[in-house]
Amino acid sequence: GENVEQHPSTLSVQEGDSAVIKCTYSDSASNYFPWYKQELGKGPQLIIDIRSNVGEKKDQRIAVTLNKTAKHFSLHITETQPEDSAVYFCAASITGGTSYGKLTFGQGTILTVHP
Amino acid sequence: GAVVSQHPSWVICKSGTSVKIECRSLDFQATTMFWYRQFPKQSLMLMATSNEGSKATYEQGVEKDKFLINHASLTLSTLTVTSAHPEDSSFYICSATPWQGRYEQYFGPGTRLTVT
Repeated sequence: GENVEQHPSTLSVQEGDSAVIKCTYSDSASNYFPWYKQELGKGPQLIIDIRSNVGEKKDQRIAVTLNKTAKHFSLHITETQPEDSAVYFCAASITGGTSYGKLTFGQGTILTVHP
Repeated sequence: GAVVSQHPSWVICKSGTSVKIECRSLDFQATTMFWYRQFPKQSLMLMATSNEGSKATYEQGVEKDKFLINHASLTLSTLTVTSAHPEDSSFYICSATPWQGRYEQYFGPGTRLTVT
């Protein structure tokens, strides 16, 4: 089955700096890669996603890049703010068919943005 | 849009009793719902995939007789933890995929279960 590795496990930055979180996946059939932000005691919130036919996607301060050949994808947050502090999870799935798009999650990254 | 609710948000029960958790998609119809379990400081672990009107598909190692899942309608799935034990204490989260072949999963706020 799919295996997703996420690094780093913790990331500490100063407000205004950029943050980058990287993930690798093992199954070349995976074609959908979402990123989730989870605050303490809450459910994960979808912040951005990318499909395998796209190399990069941006939404304001957040961007995701995908390298299908190397089987890795990254989350980039620019101009970080203290409210960006949370746990971030990457995930991968195969959409369509009998898998119903079930997600395999990375281990998570605890991002701390210091004022 | 794409709001998923869970009820209750937290529950405490005694060992040996059963607990039901509801997951509802509030503003969309969900053909597929998923149930996850999350231990402190860990990632989400998929327990089962639930499709409306059919039996749930459980992940390897998840006891289907202990974690009963019912997806009775396009907006409601329930997870019942039967004969709960302290080791079942965890954060249970559901997610839902909207209708018409979309693939994004939207998560509920989670239910904190404590078994005493």
